[in-house]
Amino acid sequence: DQQVKQNSPSLSVQEGRISILNCDYTNSMFDYFLWYKKYPAEGPTFLISISSIKDKNEDGRFTVFLNKSAKHLSLHIVPSQPGDSAVYFCAASAISGGSNYKLTFGKGTLLTVNP
Amino acid sequence: DTGVSQNPRHKITKRGQNVTFRCDPISEHNRLYWYRQTLGQGPEFLTYFQNEAQLEKSRLLSDRFSAERPKGSFSTLEIQRTEQGDSAMYLCASWEIRSNSPLHFGNGTRLTVT
Repeated sequence: DQQVKQNSPSLSVQEGRISILNCDYTNSMFDYFLWYKKYPAEGPTFLISISSIKDKNEDGRFTVFLNKSAKHLSLHIVPSQPGDSAVYFCAASAISGGSNYKLTFGKGTLLTVNP
Repeated sequence: DTGVSQNPRHKITKRGQNVTFRCDPISEHNRLYWYRQTLGQGPEFLTYFQNEAQLEKSRLLSDRFSAERPKGSFSTLEIQRTEQGDSAMYLCASWEIRSNSPLHFGNGTRLTVT
């Protein structure tokens, strides 16, 4: 039973355009969400996060939107750059239930930004 | 801050052999986590420590797996009698409970069981 789902295994966009990566979750106890980026042969690198008390968080070219009623979040990258090409993982945690910070990850979306 | 360090980066072993991986977390991070990532999947939680205490173990962690963090600093993950299904990337992450920063991951140990 996958609690965090990334239904698009891959996404290809042109440089300069917007990349939108989607994530759905089923566990209503999740209250903290993160996006990690991963290059081959490296560990995941933190990108941006959002708490369930917010519906939007922005950091430079990266914006995460959270729709709690739909149990859906998305990551927007504007403008997309070739260096953004990587696998993006959505992750969730139930922080308020105890600070164990155990993350549940989706399967990832491979983003390719074409020059 | 030198980041989370994992050794070795790659390990190839024959089925039935024992292997041990090491993780050195960011200094003074009191939480240390082990995750496993197989092909086409996201990282899956295995276990975590607060200081030297192992507080939670996933059902993925069979009795062939053992993790330790004897002095609350580095950690080791041992797999006994390896099986081909153990082939995966083993990721370590650390976190300071009083900080607002997220989990910091190491670059992982890639295990191949032949």
